Amino acid sequence: NAGVMQNPRHLVRRRGQEARLRCSPMKGHSHVYWYRQLPEEGLKFMVYLQKENIIDESGMPKERFSAEFPKEGPSILRIQQVVRGDSAAYFCASSPPLLAGGQETQYFGPGTRLLVL
Amino acid sequence: SQKIEQNSEALNIQEGKTATLTCNYTNYSPAYLQWYRQDPGRGPVFLLLIRENEKEKRKERLKVTFDTTLKQSLFHITASQPADSATYLCALDPFAYSGAGSYQLTFGKGTKLSVIP
Repeated sequence: NAGVMQNPRHLVRRRGQEARLRCSPMKGHSHVYWYRQLPEEGLKFMVYLQKENIIDESGMPKERFSAEFPKEGPSILRIQQVVRGDSAAYFCASSPPLLAGGQETQYFGPGTRLLVL
Repeated sequence: SQKIEQNSEALNIQEGKTATLTCNYTNYSPAYLQWYRQDPGRGPVFLLLIRENEKEKRKERLKVTFDTTLKQSLFHITASQPADSATYLCALDPFAYSGAGSYQLTFGKGTKLSVIP
């Protein structure tokens, strides 16, 4: 059973460009979470999605950031008009549905390291 | 304000000794607390979850305690090995309550453990 997959692993963008980060959850997991880890900081929750629904985006900046988890395909975290402060590691995690044992444990992907020049 | 703090940024320990890491929290009433391991350039890996009604949990050489009065969790690695060198993160869900899963993990900044041969 493959784990959570994220691509690209490394992404370099110039200021003002768009960044698209992809996440494929573990097989059987329908809940996806995005976290950001700034240098020397802890992981910070950004958004929680289920298929075709954003459940909680309270941790996501109001502007330039958006996330989706379509019926088919991976979850996408999109950052428009990137700035240097967006440079960070972005981690995706997934968990199974509540009925299958709860959402208490989250399984993390390897992360995408975004560098904005 | 709510805080989750891991007291030591870094901990060096001799191989074979027991490593003890501390996680303190304030203004939370978590139903459970989790510990993760993170290696450089990788995503966090789940290790153990301990619930509010559990005093202690073990998994192989790992032991976690949870004191809701002190608002503290201790994470122990016995007979430590150089392969245990990593950053260890504690995490809690500020919105979870007993019996239900939730989704928004709040992480400490981590303790970087180095086991010296």
